[in-house]
Order: sequence, then C-alpha cells, then structure tokens
Amino acid sequence: RKEVEQDPGPFNVPEGATVAFNCTYSNSASQSFFWYRQDCRKEPKLLMSVYSSGNEDGRFTAQLNRASQYISLLIRDSKLSDSATYLCVVNIRGGTGANNLFFGTGTRLTVIP
Amino acid sequence: DTAVSQTPKYLVTQMGNDKSIKCEQNLGHDTMYWYKQDSKKFLKIMFSYNNKELIINETVPNRFSPKSPDKAHLNLHINSLELGDSAVYFCASSLQKALASEAFFGQGTRLTVV
Repeated sequence: RKEVEQDPGPFNVPEGATVAFNCTYSNSASQSFFWYRQDCRKEPKLLMSVYSSGNEDGRFTAQLNRASQYISLLIRDSKLSDSATYLCVVNIRGGTGANNLFFGTGTRLTVIP
Repeated sequence: DTAVSQTPKYLVTQMGNDKSIKCEQNLGHDTMYWYKQDSKKFLKIMFSYNNKELIINETVPNRFSPKSPDKAHLNLHINSLELGDSAVYFCASSLQKALASEAFFGQGTRLTVV
C-alpha cells in the first residue's frame, strides 16, 4: 500500500475557477504534511506546509484531518500560472529522527483561458 | 547560487554500464535524499542519509548505492544498468531537526538506458 494516495487527475478548469485536491495517507505516525508543486520537466518545490488548524496563503488553503488521515488543497480564482502537478507529501521520521518525505503520485492541474 | 546541484543533467548510457550521479548542497543541511521519478511521474524515495543513519528503501536494487564523502555531498552509483533504470533521479536535502523542514530539490538527472 502506498504511503500517500492522490487522484492523479487531470483536472482541467477555466480561469477563475475554484479547484480542490485531496489526498489520504496510510501511516498514522506521519508527523508533518506539505503540498509541493512540480512544473513540467522541473523539480518539485514547496508550495505550503499543512498545519493541523488549517492554513491559508493567498489563494491557497490547506487543511488536515488527522482522524481521517486526509489532506486537502483548495485553489481559488485559478490562474493560468497555476497549471502544474500538485504533490501531497507526508513526513515520517526515522528511528534517529531523520526526516523521510513520502510523495503522492501528484494531481495534474491545467487552467484553461 | 544553486542550492542543490546535481550532475549530469542528462545521461544516456548502454545496458550493463556503471554510472554515477553527483549531488551537492550548499544549504548547510544535514540530511540528503535520492528520489526516482518514473515515466508515470511517481516520485519514489530511494535513500535518505545523514551522518547517523542511512535508510534504504527495500525495493531499491542493491545495484544502487549512495556514497557520501561529506555532509554536503551524496552521490548515487549505479552498477550494471538496466532498461528499467531509465527515469529522472532527483537529489534533495533538508534539516533533520526541523520537523516541518522544506526539502530542496536539484534539477534532476534524466537517465536513459539503451
């Protein structure tokens, strides 16, 4: 079973739309959570961390439900530049405290003019 | 200045060869990683390494071996390359102590085995 499961999409939405991505994680010992963004043929980059109380960064809102082991990302007022693959990431610490990041398969978003 | 740099960016080689990919980070991070991204774009952890612990993903063949000459470098050596090894390999680094530490990735090495 994969550590992180995501709907791969693709999601094709018009400019200005609101779109939501969800992911679930299997390991209840997961300790921190993130959304990364990966553009075509580029490396992944951190979009935002996900906090237990939920957090917002401009048009982006992330939420975490530990009981259901569920993470979400909401993008409001989509822009063409939001077109990318969004990766759900969980951190499971190793025995000596080393961080181990596990990535979902990513959800591909295309924003259409 | 590039935070995480890996070389080469592209690598085309024949089956059976041995090759290495180099990675260096100048962020002062203490943990480095290697990830493999296959044709389906799934990013899978291969190794994580700091000065205390090497964690190997058990699904990684032992033809793959990480080598760390110092904290700023984690190279990936691959023996007896196979067609299925073709993928993009990403190096990354982060801080062990910071639970919410951002991982910074290199630009990737696109390996093609022919």
